[in-house]
Amino acid sequence: AQKITQTQPGMFVQEKEAVTLDCTYDTSDPSYGLFWYKQPSSGEMIFLIYQGSYDQQNATEGRYSLNFQKARKSANLVISASQLGDSAMYFCAMREADRGSTLGRLYFGRGTQLTVWP
Amino acid sequence: EAGVVQSPRYKIIEKKQPVAFWCNPISGHNTLYWYRQNLGQGPELLIRYENEEAVDDSQLPKDRFSAERLKGVDSTLKIQPAELGDSAVYLCASSLWVRGRDTEAFFGQGTRLTVV
Repeated sequence: AQKITQTQPGMFVQEKEAVTLDCTYDTSDPSYGLFWYKQPSSGEMIFLIYQGSYDQQNATEGRYSLNFQKARKSANLVISASQLGDSAMYFCAMREADRGSTLGRLYFGRGTQLTVWP
Repeated sequence: EAGVVQSPRYKIIEKKQPVAFWCNPISGHNTLYWYRQNLGQGPELLIRYENEEAVDDSQLPKDRFSAERLKGVDSTLKIQPAELGDSAVYLCASSLWVRGRDTEAFFGQGTRLTVV
């Protein structure tokens, strides 16, 4: 079974608008972390935001916020006031904190290609 | 502070040839990861080190892939012999892993391998 599912292969948004990138995850562990990374065409993976499974509040980092719905096992990324430089591939990832030999393994989804147009 | 450094950035080799990738993690980071990213896919873990110990290598194709992390710092990933299907981007990442505390992994720019 897929640990991380990103159902949107591509998303388009106009500059200055907000956009939501979907992510659902699958785990039976009570303790886990959720991450979003941005990968521009240059190839590097850039960390954006983190949400712990026990965090009560949704994480925010500047224009990025994570809409964490634990019961639905979703961790959607919201980008407010999109900029042209936001055009990139976005990956959702999960790390299970207490599972045996895979302790610390970071599972990635297939990604969503975001295109911001002027 | 320097980030994760990988070399080379690009490599083109003929099938059946050997190839090696090098990674220098962020200073002080005890966990090092090697990921493979195929075109249009998310990264998939090949091997994870905690210090110099490989603690998760279940997805490393051990018949042709090998890795080492001497002295718990730099790491090399080797493929011998390379096959056409090994064409991908190989990403190295590091993080400071402490049980019970989660931290983000920092990635290098990757090595794009093309096997012809």
